[in-house]
Amino acid sequence: GAVVSQHPSRVICKSGTSVKIECRSLDFQATTMFWYRQFPKKSLMLMATSNEGSKATYEQGVEKDKFLINHASLTLSTLTVTSAHPEDSSFYICSAREWLLSSYNEQFFGPGTRLTVL
Amino acid sequence: AQKVTQAQTEISVVEKEDVTLDCVYETRDTTYYLFWYKQPPSGELVFLIRRNSFDEQNEISGRYSWNFQKSTSSFNFTITASQVVDSAVYFCALSDRDGANSKLTFGKGITLSVRP
Repeated sequence: GAVVSQHPSRVICKSGTSVKIECRSLDFQATTMFWYRQFPKKSLMLMATSNEGSKATYEQGVEKDKFLINHASLTLSTLTVTSAHPEDSSFYICSAREWLLSSYNEQFFGPGTRLTVL
Repeated sequence: AQKVTQAQTEISVVEKEDVTLDCVYETRDTTYYLFWYKQPPSGELVFLIRRNSFDEQNEISGRYSWNFQKSTSSFNFTITASQVVDSAVYFCALSDRDGANSKLTFGKGITLSVRP
């Protein structure tokens, strides 16, 4: 149980285009989803926290207009990288948390999406 | 503010050696949770263990063991008789007390290479 999927797993796009990444909880309802970014050989950095039906809370330094997050349902959150540039190339990982499942504060992680902007 | 320090960046061992990965944390909360994750080359995070701040019992799971010491704010991870498949990046993480939006703070990770 507690499976989180991400789509696509890998995407290559041209500079200036927008890219949407989907994060789905497959067998539970995710009341909270988190989006992380990981540069090569670096740690995971939290970008934003989103609760279903409300606006995402962004971490300091993360551009809200650049990284649009939508958590429209209890099983789906999307991250859209708008007007992507080469410096946005990174590994993006989502995680999901369901209040009842997460009595120990556990987040269930997706497999990640590798974005390359040419 | 919460902080997780993994002072070791890269460790290389020969198969069957034991290896300990260190983790030191900082938090002002009295209730918190500590985690270890494994990230193989594929990139997907693999959950290894969760420990809450009130449970200082050490834990053993097969070749893996964890030593939690609140007195030194450490949560170290030992792999006994390491294998090539253990090669990965290992992250220690800290979460504050339970709450809908409580966040995970990750250490920088330790790259473990196990040579045949």
